Amino acid sequence: KNEVEQSPQNLTAQEGEFITINCSYSVGISALHWLQQHPGGGIVSLFMLSSGKKKHGRLIATINIQEKHSSLHITASHPRDSAVYICADYSGGGADGLTFGKGTHLIIQP
Amino acid sequence: EPEVTQTPSHQVTQMGQEVILRCVPISNHLYFYWYRQILGQKVEFLVSFYNNEISEKSEIFDDQFSVERPDGSNFTLKIRSTKLEDSAMYFCASSVHRNTEAFFGQGTRLTVV
Repeated sequence: KNEVEQSPQNLTAQEGEFITINCSYSVGISALHWLQQHPGGGIVSLFMLSSGKKKHGRLIATINIQEKHSSLHITASHPRDSAVYICADYSGGGADGLTFGKGTHLIIQP
Repeated sequence: EPEVTQTPSHQVTQMGQEVILRCVPISNHLYFYWYRQILGQKVEFLVSFYNNEISEKSEIFDDQFSVERPDGSNFTLKIRSTKLEDSAMYFCASSVHRNTEAFFGQGTRLTVV
């Protein structure tokens, strides 16, 4: 059974700090999503990646397939980045649905 | 920018009543999904739908649940006889193909009283 673990569960940082959120998964995957969830609940897709690295603005996501590990980095963090960041993957066993981690609750203080 | 839309945003229903949650997936997407998030817990997969039939369902998706694509645009989740434990946020999502980037709606918060 695929398990997705995230760390840390909670993270509070000062504006401008470099943020790293980690995700590890237990079985081979076809692709991994990083998602953002704001208070009020809506989920927004940030990245989907199956290898290497992707960058979008101040967000960078990396994945190491051999180590079954992915990281999400935020450079020059800002209070508007405060949200829950969730990693979710498509298990390589061929499941249609995403398996979600519990999320990392990020607070950026001004 | 195309988006997945869900209605209603919040629904309160009495235990035992039937509810229908509605979604309009992105128009050129072929795979549709329902997920559930109980308050304070992680998001869980319920069901995927492709080519007008269920592609995969989780253990949560029992006989109380059904999905339908009644016309060319809507995708619905029906809960036949709601229980208190069905209270959750329900998310619809769609993707172009299987295991490709999924786009989520804003969710429907279902409260069963």
